[in-house]
Amino acid sequence: GQQLNQSPQSMFIQEGEDVSMNCTSSSIFNTWLWYKQDPGEGPVLLIALYKAGELTSNGRLTAQFGITRKDSFLNISASIPSDVGIYFCAGHTGNQFYFGTGTSLTVIP
Amino acid sequence: DAGVTQSPTHLIKTRGQQVTLRCSPKSGHDTVSWYQQALGQGPQFIFQYYEEEERQRGNFPDRFSGHQFPNYSSELNVNALLLGDSALYLCASSSRRAWGSPLHFGNGTRLTVT
Repeated sequence: GQQLNQSPQSMFIQEGEDVSMNCTSSSIFNTWLWYKQDPGEGPVLLIALYKAGELTSNGRLTAQFGITRKDSFLNISASIPSDVGIYFCAGHTGNQFYFGTGTSLTVIP
Repeated sequence: DAGVTQSPTHLIKTRGQQVTLRCSPKSGHDTVSWYQQALGQGPQFIFQYYEEEERQRGNFPDRFSGHQFPNYSSELNVNALLLGDSALYLCASSSRRAWGSPLHFGNGTRLTVT
């Protein structure tokens, strides 16, 4: 299957700091999605991106669809304790979504 | 507006047994996909159903099978369970009418095989 590489694998940040994470692949995708997963729960959709170069915000979250269509970025501004969780990217191609390995975010109050 | 619901939430089975997991999609969705998520990993695609047929399949053996009912709900069956089948099984629904429609996930079924 397609390989999506997420980085960093984990992050430890102070409350109030901004966060950046990304997802890269050797394959081209038509749609990029970003999800957050809390322990014991399913992934929750944060942002969906449909066009190369697209920049979309959802509150303090901003995500971009890379112009090469092989990558995507997620930024979280002014982090708060409830931002803690695992963030997954997912790319759509061939009528299927492929998921990254996740970025674990810890916010220190 | 009910989201994706899965049952049961937890299940413990013994090697060699069979298991059935159930999923009801989000209202308005007609497509159901199943994913396996091992601890510390991203979800891995098992298969997708719409119009009551399996349309796409990931790299999973035939021990994994499924079904979709006329009301769009779905079942995932796993036969001859192995220890390595222990994982969180996630159901996701989407709409075929919207190409690339985002997946909406349930909270999963945690399967433990002993």
